[in-house]
This record gives sequence, structure tokens and C-alpha cells, in this order.
Amino acid sequence: GENVEQHPSTLSVQEGDSAVIKCTYSDSASNYFPWYKQELGKRPQLIIDIRSNVGEKKDQRIAVTLNKTAKHFSLHITETQPEDSAVYFCAASIGGYQKVTFGTGTKLQVIP
Amino acid sequence: EAEVAQSPRYKITEKSQAVAFWCDPISGHATLYWYRQILGQGPELLVQFQDESVVDDSQLPKDRFSAERLKGVDSTLKIQPAELGDSAMYLCASSYPGQGRGETQYFGPGTRLLVL
Repeated sequence: GENVEQHPSTLSVQEGDSAVIKCTYSDSASNYFPWYKQELGKRPQLIIDIRSNVGEKKDQRIAVTLNKTAKHFSLHITETQPEDSAVYFCAASIGGYQKVTFGTGTKLQVIP
Repeated sequence: EAEVAQSPRYKITEKSQAVAFWCDPISGHATLYWYRQILGQGPELLVQFQDESVVDDSQLPKDRFSAERLKGVDSTLKIQPAELGDSAMYLCASSYPGQGRGETQYFGPGTRLLVL
């Protein structure tokens, strides 16, 4: 089955700096890659996703890049703010009704 | 905005007891997922329903866990008997296939289970 590895497990950045979280996946058939943000004690919420037919997607301060050849994808957060502090999960799926496999999470701390 | 509902939010039980969790997905969402999330880890899929049918329960410990979605709407996850290692957050999620974004999952608030 699919295996998703996520790095780093923790990340501390100064407010205003950029943060990058990286994930690798094992199943070359995977074609859907969502990112979820989970604040302490709250439910995971989708923040951005990308499909294998594109290499990059942006939404304001958040961007995701995908390298299908290397089977890795990354989340980029620019101009970080304290409210960005949370645990971020990457995930991979073949799509449709197929199982979504989550990474182990990255705890991001933005220091004011 | 519609949300996935779960109850109870918190459950404390003793080992060997039975526990049950309930989930009501967003109206119209045909796909329903139950995940277990251990502190510090990502969600792990336990069971996935498409309408009332199970499409993936490969990671469900079937000797003690059961799940049903009889009418294809709300769902119940049961553990009997509960073990200490079952202490975790149990998350329910739903999605609506068919719009090209069928994989987008919307999570409920979760049920935090503590087994003593």
C-alpha cells in the first residue's frame, strides 16, 4: 500500500519568515495530494490540494509543489503569522473512492 | 456551513467495556470514513463506506471493532471490549464524489477516548 513520509516533524520559524514542509510517497499511481491543518484540539481542515496534472498551485500565502518523477511534494507558507501555528498533515491518494494515506504530521510554531 | 457531527466528544471507559461512537456526515455525502488518530501521529483509516457498503476495512481490528452505516447516512463505530491501547481520537470524515473533488474530506470534531 501507499506510504507517505513527512519531514520535519517539528519546525519553528520567526514571524514573517517562510516555512517549508516536505513529503514523499511510494505509490506512483497516486494522483491527489491534499494538505490539512489541525489546530490544537480541533478537526483537520483542508488548506490546499494538488493533482498530478499540475506541478504547482498557490492560494495567497500558501503554495504546494509536486514532483511526480521524484514522488515528492512540498507545502510552502510565506510571510508566516502566529495563527499559522498548528500541525500540518500531507496525504496521498489514487483518487476516486481510494484510500487517503496521511503523513505523520509537522508541528509548526511561528514565533512572534 | 454544513459540518460533520460526532458524539460524544469525550468518552472515558474502563478496559473490557463496550463503547460506541456516532457520526452524521454532511448531507449528500456518500462516502464516510472513520479514522483513529493517536497523539502526535496522522489519522489512520479504520473503515471507509460508500453509501451503506464497506469499501475498505483492511486496518479495522475486526475482533473488537465494528462499524455500520445501515441506511447510508449516519454511522456507528463500536469497540468491544475496549483495551488500553484504544485510547485515541476517533475522527469521522465525509466526502462527495462526483464533482471532481470527491477526495476532499471534511472532518468532524472527533471523539476523544480514554480507556482506564
